[in-house]
Amino acid sequence: DTGVSQDPRHKITKRGQNVTFRCDPISEHNRLYWYRQTLGQGPEFLTYFQNEAQLEKSRLLSDRFSAERPKGSFSTLEIQRTEQGDSAMYLCAREGRMGGYTFGSGTRLTVV
Amino acid sequence: DQQVKQNSPSLSVQEGRISILNCDYTNSMFDYFLWYKKYPAEGPTFLISISSIKDKNEDGRFTVFLNKSAKHLSLHIVPSQPGDSAVYFCAASDRDDKIIFGKGTRLHILP
Repeated sequence: DTGVSQDPRHKITKRGQNVTFRCDPISEHNRLYWYRQTLGQGPEFLTYFQNEAQLEKSRLLSDRFSAERPKGSFSTLEIQRTEQGDSAMYLCAREGRMGGYTFGSGTRLTVV
Repeated sequence: DQQVKQNSPSLSVQEGRISILNCDYTNSMFDYFLWYKKYPAEGPTFLISISSIKDKNEDGRFTVFLNKSAKHLSLHIVPSQPGDSAVYFCAASDRDDKIIFGKGTRLHILP
C-alpha cells in the first residue's frame, strides 16, 4: 500500500478516444502531483494541485489534457482525442517525507 | 535541457559488493536531492534524500553523498543484494517543491 491509489492500473484505448484516470491519496494532503513516464525516461512533471487549485501546468500538458481536483481530495486526469504519443505510465503522487513524494502504482495507458 | 543527468543507463555489480550510482545536476538552486527506486509496473519508491546544506546522509545500506562544488551526487549501496536490482532515479526539488528526475540507471545485481 503506497498511500496513493490509482485507477485503472491499465488502460488500452483506440486512437481518438477519450480516457480518464483517477488518483486517490489515502489521507488528506494539500498537494497532489501528476507525472508521466515514457520508456527510457524518468518521470516528467505534468501538473500539481494545492488543495483544489491547479497551480502549475507543464508545457507537456497540451490542451487535450485536463486535470481536476474538485474537493481537494481525489483528482482526475482526462486526455481527449488520444494519440499514440500519449502512451505512457501516468503517475500520481502526494507529499511524502524528507522532501520527497509518495507515488501511486500508476496507470499504464496504451493507445492503439 | 536536462537539469538532472544520469549518464550511465545501466550498471552491473556482484552481490555483496558496493554499488555506486552517479548523478549530475545543473541548477544550483535545487535545495533537496533524492533517490528513488522503481520496479517494473510500479510507481517509484522513495529511498533517501539529502538537503543541499549537507554533504552526506546515511540510512542503513544506503548512503548519499553530495558535492555541491561539482554539482554531483552519488548513491552508495553496500552490501548489494539481489532485491536491489531495479531502476534508480536521481531527482532534485526546486524551491516550489517540484521534483525533477533524471532518466534513471538500471542496476543489475549479479549472483
